[in-house]
Amino acid sequence: AQSVTQLGSHVSVSEGALVLLRCNYSSSVPPYLFWYVQYPNQGLQLLLKYTSAATLVKGINGFEAEFKKSETSFHLTKPSAHMSDAAEYFCAVTSYNFNKFYFGSGTKLNVKP
Amino acid sequence: NAGVTQTPKFQVLKTGQSMTLQCAQDMNHNSMYWYRQDPGMGLRLIYYSASEGTTDKGEVPNGYNVSRLNKREFSLRLESAAPSQTSVYFCASSQDGYNQPQHFGDGTRLSIL
Repeated sequence: AQSVTQLGSHVSVSEGALVLLRCNYSSSVPPYLFWYVQYPNQGLQLLLKYTSAATLVKGINGFEAEFKKSETSFHLTKPSAHMSDAAEYFCAVTSYNFNKFYFGSGTKLNVKP
Repeated sequence: NAGVTQTPKFQVLKTGQSMTLQCAQDMNHNSMYWYRQDPGMGLRLIYYSASEGTTDKGEVPNGYNVSRLNKREFSLRLESAAPSQTSVYFCASSQDGYNQPQHFGDGTRLSIL
C-alpha cells in the first residue's frame, strides 16, 4: 500500500533562513512524487515532480527536492525563505495506478520577518 | 487560462438538503477527480473518472454520487447532506500518464448545519 508521511504539521522559519519540509513515502513499486503548494482560499499548485529522470528536482519559486530511495524520502528545501513562501505544502505519491494520488496531511509554513 | 473551474465557491446547506457541485476543465484532460480537504487530513479522494463515461470510487465515496457529463464536466452530488460532509471540496484534472500532475480548481467551501 502507498502512503505519504509529512513530519511537522507546522514549520516556522525566519525570512532568509533555510526551509526544510519533510516527506517520507511508502510504496511497493517505483514511485512518482510531487510537491504542491496551497495559498489561502486557493487550490493546490504544482511546485515540482520526481519522475525518475534525476534525483534532484528543481521547481518553481526557488524550491527543490531530492529523491532518496534508501531513505524513502523526498524532502523539500529552499535556501532562503521569503515572506511570500508562507503557505501550506503537500507531498503526494502515485505510481503505475496513476488514477490514485496519495497526499500527505500537509505542512503549514510560517515565515517570520 | 481558466484551467479548472468550480461552482459555487461557497455554500451553506441544512442537514438533509441536496446539492450538486459543478466542475469544468478546458485542458482536454481525460482524467478528473473530486477530493475533500479537512484540517490535518490532507486531501482524500472521493471519486474519479478516467475517461468520459466512466467513474470509480475513491477513498471516501459514501454519501456522494458523481456524473461525468462529458469530457469537460464532472459533477459531485450530495443527495442528503450531513454535518460530517462540511468540508472544502476540490476538483482536479490530469493528462493520461503515470507522471502527470493534477491541476486543481479553487475549491468549494461547503458548510452543513
